[in-house]
Amino acid sequence: AQSVTQPDIHITVSEGASLELRCNYSYGATPYLFWYVQSPGQGLQLLLKYFSGDTLVQGIKGFEAEFKRSQSSFNLRKPSVHWSDAAEYFCAVGRTMEYGNKLVFGAGTILRVKS
Amino acid sequence: DTEVTQTPKHLVMGMTNKKSLKCEQHMGHRAMYWYKQKAKKPPELMFVYSYEKLSINESVPSRFSPECPNSSLLNLHLHALQPEDSALYLCASSQGPGQGGETQYFGPGTRLLVL
Repeated sequence: AQSVTQPDIHITVSEGASLELRCNYSYGATPYLFWYVQSPGQGLQLLLKYFSGDTLVQGIKGFEAEFKRSQSSFNLRKPSVHWSDAAEYFCAVGRTMEYGNKLVFGAGTILRVKS
Repeated sequence: DTEVTQTPKHLVMGMTNKKSLKCEQHMGHRAMYWYKQKAKKPPELMFVYSYEKLSINESVPSRFSPECPNSSLLNLHLHALQPEDSALYLCASSQGPGQGGETQYFGPGTRLLVL
C-alpha cells in the first residue's frame, strides 16, 4: 500500500533563511507526487507536482522540489522564506484509479517563520 | 482558471438539523471529491463522483449523503450529525478517469460546527 511520511511535524525558520521540507513515500510503481500548502482554515493550494521527466520541479511562490527515486524522496525547498510562507504543507502521492486519482497524504509539516 | 468554489464558508448546525454543502467547478472536470479534515490532520477522502456517478464511498455514515446533479456541481447533504462531525469539509475536482495522474484542485472548504 502507498504511504507518505513527513518526518517533521513542525519546522521554524527565520525570514530570509532557506527551507527544506522532507517527504518520503512508499509506492510500487512510478509515483505521481504533489506538494500542497494550506493556510489556517483554508483549502489546499497546489504548489507543484511531479509526474515524469526532469526530477527538479519548479512550482509557484518560488518553491521547488526534487524527486529522488533511489531515496524515495520528494523534498520541498525554497531558497529564501517569507513570513507569508507560514502555513501547513502536505506531501501526497497519487494512485491512478478507475475514477481518477486517489491521493494519499502525509501527516503534514507546520512551518513557522520568525521575523 | 483552476477555481473550485464552496458555500457556505461556515456552518453551525444542531444535531437535528438538515443542511447542505455545495461545491462548484467550471474546469470541465469529470471527477469530484469530498474530503473531511479534522484539526491538525490531513484530509480524509469521503466520496468520489466520476462522470456524475458515485464511484467511491469510503465507509462514510449514512448521515452524510452526497449528490452530483450535473458535471459542475457537487452537494453534500447533512442530517442528524454528531458533534464529532465538526470539521473542515473540502471539495476537490480533477479531470477524471483515464487521464493518468491528473491533479486535484481544492476549494476553500466549509467549516462545520455541530452543536
